[in-house]
Amino acid sequence: DTGVSQDPRHKITKRGQNVTFRCDPISEHNRLYWYRQTLGQGPEFLTYFQNEAQLEKSRLLSDRFSAERPKGSFSTLEIQRTEQGDSAMYLCASITEVGRGGELFFGEGSRLTVL
Amino acid sequence: QKEVEQNSGPLSVPEGAIASLNCTYSDRGSQSFFWYRQYSGKSPELIMSIYSNGDKEDGRFTAQLNKASQYVSLLIRDSQPSDSATYLCAVNRYGGTSYGKLTFGQGTILTVHP
Repeated sequence: DTGVSQDPRHKITKRGQNVTFRCDPISEHNRLYWYRQTLGQGPEFLTYFQNEAQLEKSRLLSDRFSAERPKGSFSTLEIQRTEQGDSAMYLCASITEVGRGGELFFGEGSRLTVL
Repeated sequence: QKEVEQNSGPLSVPEGAIASLNCTYSDRGSQSFFWYRQYSGKSPELIMSIYSNGDKEDGRFTAQLNKASQYVSLLIRDSQPSDSATYLCAVNRYGGTSYGKLTFGQGTILTVHP
């Protein structure tokens, strides 16, 4: 499978715990995006990387959230001190910088449930 | 006003009919437009992209774009039960730091009944 890979697919945690999600993009894609989707809503942009540099963060990304992309390969999204409002599907997508006009291809997503 | 707004659903059509999904957007600088299909519990899947005014056809799907009216639509011909899903409209201001940063509508649930 050469698509975007995310892990874990499902995570159930108790409020206050830390969680980490991993995303492996399509190998030749240098841009990687994180989105969050809550029930009944469309995905919302969180942050993106070009290679290893994090170039933009949404105001939705509070200081409890941190994302990294060491060496410009896989990325991690960590949520500290989880709250029930963090329950959502966390989506990763990757894209090449040039060529197509912004077509994003999403991974399967990581669904977080905070009890 | 929401940045991207889709017609409220759910939309129910009989098998074989044409399903029409509509979307309006507020940012006149938007350059790229996308339709994603999302089955329950799954991630969004890109089904159509359109960049210039007019129609773009791909199989049973036709995307229509009117930048003057800030309107984009998706027509599904010969609708099948397997088309039952949530359809998400997304727009993107092409280039620069916004490349790949999409703004999504809330989605329209489509049900195709036999």
